Amino acid sequence: KNQVEQSPQSLIILEGKNCTLQCNYTVSPFSNLRWYKQDTGRGPVSLTIMTFSENTKSNGRYTATLDADTKQSSLHITASQLSDSASYICVVRGFTSGTYKYIFGTGTRLKVLA
Amino acid sequence: GAVVSQHPSRVICKSGTSVKIECRSLDFQATTMFWYRQFPKQSLMLMATSNEGSKATYEQGVEKDKFLINHASLTLSTLTVTSAHPEDSSFYICSAPQRGGQGLADTQYFGPGTRLTVL
Repeated sequence: KNQVEQSPQSLIILEGKNCTLQCNYTVSPFSNLRWYKQDTGRGPVSLTIMTFSENTKSNGRYTATLDADTKQSSLHITASQLSDSASYICVVRGFTSGTYKYIFGTGTRLKVLA
Repeated sequence: GAVVSQHPSRVICKSGTSVKIECRSLDFQATTMFWYRQFPKQSLMLMATSNEGSKATYEQGVEKDKFLINHASLTLSTLTVTSAHPEDSSFYICSAPQRGGQGLADTQYFGPGTRLTVL
């Protein structure tokens, strides 16, 4: 069964600290993996998109890594800010039931405290 | 980047009424759009895939007669919640993929969402 699991489910850190969010998937075949940031009451916004051949990709203070062999990805946030408080969603595009689909993880809720 | 809009952003209606939600791709054409529902503290759940000029494809467990989807143009898809009930109260989000160049993955742009409350 194609699944995307994220950990931790929620996380609280102090402003200025770093953190790493994890995403494990069983989707096969795999097309690409995306990390999104979703503020409360808003739609998700793309942070990174990675294909199977990419190991790391950065977007400002966000750095995503991908290990296609172990089917694991991580999102590292450096020098966290209060505005980083949001849900972070890992989405894997894979082939299932005869068509390509986006499979969503359950998300990690990050709270950054002053 | 590309923008996807939704209207209305928030709607409150009485039980039994129908509610229409619009999803527009503002600066690109989208032959396909996706509709999601999100309950509090949960991730997005795909409801259906909207296809321009043809019938929508619904995910298992989603009632197509209750959630009517119309993709009448390359920039507009609508979701109508018919005979809404309190259990339909949720956050509805649409997305539209913008095709990437050769060898590049398409980019999925999400709308800002519509908060539906059924009294």
